[in-house]
Amino acid sequence: SYVLTQPPSVSVAPGQTARITCGGNNMGGKSVHWYQQKAGQAPVLVVYDDDDRPSGIPERFSGFNSGNSATLTISRVEAGDEADYYCQLWHSHSDHWVFGGGTRLTVL
Amino acid sequence: QVQLVESGGRVVQPGGSLRLSCAASGFDVSTYGMHWVRQAPGKGLEWVANIRYDGSNEYYADFVEGRFTISRDNFKNTLHLQMNSLRSDDTATYYCAKGDASSWDPFDHWGQGTLVIVSS
Repeated sequence: SYVLTQPPSVSVAPGQTARITCGGNNMGGKSVHWYQQKAGQAPVLVVYDDDDRPSGIPERFSGFNSGNSATLTISRVEAGDEADYYCQLWHSHSDHWVFGGGTRLTVL
Repeated sequence: QVQLVESGGRVVQPGGSLRLSCAASGFDVSTYGMHWVRQAPGKGLEWVANIRYDGSNEYYADFVEGRFTISRDNFKNTLHLQMNSLRSDDTATYYCAKGDASSWDPFDHWGQGTLVIVSS
């Protein structure tokens, strides 16, 4: 089965830049999506198709996908960005939808 | 606006059955791919099942092993998940999520989830 690997945690000071990685075999050719899940809440889509943002998501959130990894970048991090972040894609060979294990972003 | 409201979660004994529902508003479930995703307590998101936008196919995670069935009621604009032979490791919050026509499309709207606890 296809696996997406994320670091369990990332910490960053307010105003700095957070980068959350997601690794997967040849994922550069697939559309990667990112979700934010705050404590006790449902997930929210923050980046789709590698680098697009849904309406209402700040420009501080951006994405990149190439080769065997994708990255979610959050610029000028705010306390309100503290959450779990998940990458996700569709694996065509198995017709399965796959989530990464999630990364907890802590704002120091 | 798009809204998804899950219901049906409760405590059920191992081996039991449960039917989850997801009432949709603001869009027509019969024309969008729909998903169930679960999250065990303190764990990450795990995709469970999908029904294609045109209803032509259903797909399931390997752990389902023929125990779950995804379906939709177009007249009531509702998505369902019938779960049989439940096990303790099925304990989780179950979310329904809206996709789109293409399999690679994101899950752009989610419900608030319904909690299923499998325990004797």
